[in-house]
Order: sequence, then structure tokens, then C-alpha cells
Amino acid sequence: DIVLTQTPLSLSVTPGQPASISCKSSQSLLHSDGNTYLYWYLQKPGQSPQLLIYEVSSRFSGVPDRFSGSGSGTDFTLKISRVEAEDVGVYYCMQGIHLPYTFGQGTKLESK
Amino acid sequence: EVQLVESGGGLVQPGGSLRLSCAASGFTFSSHWMHWFRQAPGKGLVWVSRINSDGSSTSYADSVKGRFTISRDNAKNMLYLQMNSLRAEDTAVYYCTRELGILWGQGTMVTVSS
Repeated sequence: DIVLTQTPLSLSVTPGQPASISCKSSQSLLHSDGNTYLYWYLQKPGQSPQLLIYEVSSRFSGVPDRFSGSGSGTDFTLKISRVEAEDVGVYYCMQGIHLPYTFGQGTKLESK
Repeated sequence: EVQLVESGGGLVQPGGSLRLSCAASGFTFSSHWMHWFRQAPGKGLVWVSRINSDGSSTSYADSVKGRFTISRDNAKNMLYLQMNSLRAEDTAVYYCTRELGILWGQGTMVTVSS
């Protein structure tokens, strides 16, 4: 199975400051179709997860542009340009190229 | 409204069975692959199973293979997860999703305990 390693596992950020989460994969997530199937989700406290970013860098509908995704191959990053109070929760990366689909351990973002 | 609503969770004894349902509305259900994910209490997300749009192809995590069966009824806009031979480690909130998490339901809790 593909292992996704997220760092850091927790993050405490002052509102208005940036935040960055790394996700490293044990195998390349580049598909033969040219797409890279790396997703980012946010699970706010007490809620179901929600999709933020698909295929490394495409923001899902309605996701604020302060969220951005980047990377290639095995190394990926989610960046929040200016953290807002509503961004608290647990962020997960997930690979959607090889079965079984697997997630990173999650990164808990807290507001200072 | 575009939504997924899971039901069917509950408390079951080890070795027992449950069938989870996921009612889809507000979109063309028959056009989309569907997935089940789960999340044990205080733990991370885990992919469980997927089914293609017409129900002809399914896949499972090794941990549930041979015990769980995913199915769908496109005429009723329903997704199902039949869970047999349940174990304590199957205790989790189960979510259905459209494609790989484009849309999530609210989840249904399954507790396996004697």
C-alpha cells in the first residue's frame, strides 16, 4: 500500500498568518494519463470531511483562494496564505491512484 | 438539494451483520462512482470500498474483503454496504461519498460490541 506521511501533525497559527502542510508519498502518484491523483480534505470539528483540492492543485468549487496546492511525483504541499478562524480542523491528504486509496495521518490546525 | 444521507448504523454484536444505506439526491446518481469510507473514534480516514456507475465493478480494502459487499440501485438512487462477520475493529463512522470525496454524507455510526 502507498504510505502518505504528513508533516507537521499539528499546527498552531495566528489568524492572518500563513500555514503549510507537507504530504510525502512512498510512490509516485503520477498516472499514465498524465494526471496526479493527490487530494486534500479538511474535517472541521464535528463535521464530515470536505474536499479542498483535487489533482494536486485544483481548488474545488467554493474553496477560498487562500488555499493552494502544489507538488509533483511524491512531494506535495497545501498552503493557506492567511489562516482564518474557520480553517481550524484536521487536514488530510489522500492518494487516488492505487488501490487501496490511502490517507496521510492528518494535520490538526489550531488557531492561536 | 445535492446531498447524501447515510442510515442503518447501530450497535451489533461481534459476528453480526448490518446493512448501511446511502440515499442520494440532487444529482444524476447513475453517472457517478460511489465510495464508502470509515473513521474509527478519534482516528483518521480510511477508504473501504468503491463501485462504478452501473454497479458492474467493485473494489474493497483488504480489511473488509470477503465480509463487506457494496452495491447500488440506480433506479432508487441508493448505495448500500452489506457488512457481515463484524468485528470490534469495524467500529467507526461510515461515510458514503460521490466520487473521491466530492460530496460526503453526514456519516452513520457502527458500533461492534458485546
